[in-house]
Amino acid sequence: DAGITQSPRYKITETGRQVTLMCHQTWSHSYMFWYRQDLGHGLRLIYYSAAADITDKGEVPDGYVVSRSKTENFPLTLESATRSQTSVYFCASSHTTGGISGNTIYFGEGSWLTVV
Amino acid sequence: AQSVAQPEDQVNVAEGNPLTVKCTYSVSGNPYLFWYVQYPNRGLQFLLKYITGDNLVKGSYGFEAEFNKSQTSFHLKKPSALVSDSALYFCAVRDIEIQGAQKLVFGQGTRLTINP
Repeated sequence: DAGITQSPRYKITETGRQVTLMCHQTWSHSYMFWYRQDLGHGLRLIYYSAAADITDKGEVPDGYVVSRSKTENFPLTLESATRSQTSVYFCASSHTTGGISGNTIYFGEGSWLTVV
Repeated sequence: AQSVAQPEDQVNVAEGNPLTVKCTYSVSGNPYLFWYVQYPNRGLQFLLKYITGDNLVKGSYGFEAEFNKSQTSFHLKKPSALVSDSALYFCAVRDIEIQGAQKLVFGQGTRLTINP
């Protein structure tokens, strides 16, 4: 079941260009996250959102912008792409903190971004 | 700050043998611990979690993990490895909870290779 879908899955862009990675989830999860995965660093949190119109910075937010106008969408924008932003980006979501399904974060399939 | 460490970058096991992927944690308060698996070019898939209760947690695909508070460890185990278990495994711990968001802090990952 494709609860979280990311697009594009693969993207090559040039330094200085703006790039937006899309994330859509169908579970009505309140919480959404963007992580980047780099060799030697594992996964690092970029931004997260607790609900529509509520976002906050994670560990590595510089150079990124997010928005959450609707619960199901959480786009990530690189305003002026740099080579250091070449990475694999994962969107994720989770339900509330309580209940059987609480505390588990579910990931999308990833977006491979190369900045040349 | 909450953190996890995966001391082995790579683990090699013969098919049919038991496997262990190690994880140690450092937290303030009670730990919420997770294991995820990542197959090539795919997103992370949830395997299991420890929140409270029995120290032996059973998860997907025959995996289990043992929570050991005195050794601050949460090792992933499987009694009999399959070639299809070859993947990248991540241990994670819940970070501080802000507005109910379940932020996870990940280890750097352990590449598990099962040899036929």
